Amino acid sequence: NAGVTQTPKFQVLKTGQSMTLQCAQDMNHNSMYWYRQDPGMGLRLIYYSASEGTTDKGEVPNGYNVSRLNKREFSLRLESAAPSQTSVYFCASSRGVPSYEQYFGPGTRLTVT
Amino acid sequence: SQQGEEDPQALSIQEGENATMNCSYKTSINNLQWYRQNSGRGLVHLILIRSNEREKHSGRLRVTLDTSKKSSSLLITASRAADTASYFCATSGSARQLTFGSGTQLTVLP
Repeated sequence: NAGVTQTPKFQVLKTGQSMTLQCAQDMNHNSMYWYRQDPGMGLRLIYYSASEGTTDKGEVPNGYNVSRLNKREFSLRLESAAPSQTSVYFCASSRGVPSYEQYFGPGTRLTVT
Repeated sequence: SQQGEEDPQALSIQEGENATMNCSYKTSINNLQWYRQNSGRGLVHLILIRSNEREKHSGRLRVTLDTSKKSSSLLITASRAADTASYFCATSGSARQLTFGSGTQLTVLP
């Protein structure tokens, strides 16, 4: 089992460009999450999907959109990247919300210049 | 806003010593979880303790929870260089979200 996979691993964007971060899990989990981690800080939740077909905003959703493509895949889109979105992005999955342990992907390091 | 706050922010110990880190939180919880993050990697779940539990063990890890003080501690016994990582507590409460603290950076010196 690969667990949670994320693509790409690294990305550099110019201000105003758009991109989609991809995430997939093979653990048959119902819930998936997108977090961002800034230096010296913990994780902040951007969006989550409690189950296939649903998405909800987290703590810092502005500037992002998400799509729960199917049970396995959950993508994060930046429509018009800004330097403030420079961060490391982590996808995670769990059996359900919110009490179950979460399994994390390796992260995508995004720089916006 | 972050629910849990770890203390200390950084901890440096010798191999073989015990490491203790603390987490305080503000509102009532269903459970509290501890995660480890090695440099440049994703988080790995270590242990979950429910609000009606006071202590839990997993290998060299011991977690305590005091709901009256809204605090938890993580003890790593007989630490190894491989334990060098950041450790985060995360709380699960009435919101449908897991809220992470800002972490403790543990360095274990060989």
